[in-house]
Amino acid sequence: DSGVTQTPKHLITATGQRVTLRCSPRSGDLSVYWYQQSLDQGLQFLIQYYNGEERAKGNILERFSAQQFPDLHSELNLSSLELGDSALYFCASSWGLAANTGELFFGEGSRLTVL
Amino acid sequence: AQTVTQSQPEMSVQEAETVTLSCTYDTSESDYYLFWYKQPPSRQMILVIRQEAYKQQNATENRFSVNFQKAAKSFSLKISDSQLGDAAMYFCAYRSGVTNSGYALNFGKGTSLLVTP
Repeated sequence: DSGVTQTPKHLITATGQRVTLRCSPRSGDLSVYWYQQSLDQGLQFLIQYYNGEERAKGNILERFSAQQFPDLHSELNLSSLELGDSALYFCASSWGLAANTGELFFGEGSRLTVL
Repeated sequence: AQTVTQSQPEMSVQEAETVTLSCTYDTSESDYYLFWYKQPPSRQMILVIRQEAYKQQNATENRFSVNFQKAAKSFSLKISDSQLGDAAMYFCAYRSGVTNSGYALNFGKGTSLLVTP
């Protein structure tokens, strides 16, 4: 158990809909990262938050947004969903902006299926 | 962005044997970190081993060791005495040491390791 909690574990929805994925980082971790894992694209970095502020952006679509709340949990919002958004979405956390070991601790992921 | 390449989509090894998974990366930085993560069928991403670029000594964690060739930008993972529980997808990852990069990991596309009895 990494200590990172993601909900829901599975989600099925229709095209055009909007969903919210939630992540609680390990206790004491200030940084949260979101990744998308699909069969053809592998693990793609979406966005990072550190202590409530956006820190880095990767290949995140404009239809997607995220935030980190004062209690450090984070939410990833996916809107106007398309079939191609079906993927496993991971949240990861680390202690600092530059964790000494560089290691990220991953949750179990949220499996999104868009029909 | 730094590119991480895993040229072996699938590998197979017999139980108790040794297998080596390959990884190369492209970077112009001198300070960075490299990782191998394991993703079993449970889909949880688990850190196997890490290597700091400034360290010349290859990292070792029990049956797992790396061959880090900085000049060649190569970072292979050796699994000794393979066990059935080692069957998983293995991802090589790169993290920049540059302070304004955000510290996200760049992953390769993975190598699926099958362990046969």
